[in-house]
Amino acid sequence: KQEVTQIPAALSVPEGENLVLNCSFTDSAIYNLQWFRQDPGKGLTSLLLIQSSQREQTSGRLNASLDKSSGRSTLYIAASQPGDSATYLCAPEGGSEKLVFGKGTKLTVNP
Amino acid sequence: DTEVTQTPKHLVMGMTNKKSLKCEQHMGHRAMYWYKQKAKKPPELMFVYSYEKLSINESVPSRFSPECPNSSLLNLHLHALQPEDSALYLCASSQFYLRARNEQYFGPGTRLTVT
Repeated sequence: KQEVTQIPAALSVPEGENLVLNCSFTDSAIYNLQWFRQDPGKGLTSLLLIQSSQREQTSGRLNASLDKSSGRSTLYIAASQPGDSATYLCAPEGGSEKLVFGKGTKLTVNP
Repeated sequence: DTEVTQTPKHLVMGMTNKKSLKCEQHMGHRAMYWYKQKAKKPPELMFVYSYEKLSINESVPSRFSPECPNSSLLNLHLHALQPEDSALYLCASSQFYLRARNEQYFGPGTRLTVT
């Protein structure tokens, strides 16, 4: 059974700082891994999807990497802004063809 | 357009009521999903429809009944719910099921309260 761990559970940084969110998963037999953000009480917004054959994916100030063999993914956010404050969830999709979510990292960017 | 819409946004129902949640997408996606999310927890998969057929039921109680009338529409019929069923219900869709490029797009959710 896939288990997903996200570290840290919460992170508070000043505006402008670069930061890294970590995600680890136990079953490396995955098709892809998605990163999402969720604002309080809202739905999920897809940020990046990395296919199992890819090492990284970039979108604007976001860069996600994937090391499938070691069961790790990181989300790098450059030049953080207060609008980046949200909970960030990673979710690998594996042999069961289901997304399995981590508990998330709650990010607060202080002006 | 990567929009998934859900109605209603909020729903309060009694334990004897029957209600339905609706989800719609016009992206031509052929897989649609229902998730349940309790406060401060990650989403949990409930059902998956692939090409309008139910392909995954995560042992969800029968008081939740999904329906996929066509490729754009997904319903969740609710009957005799319990207060512990109160949660945010999220719908998602993706272009291809069982493929590596299976990016899921989520709707804003329906906040359900069972009294």
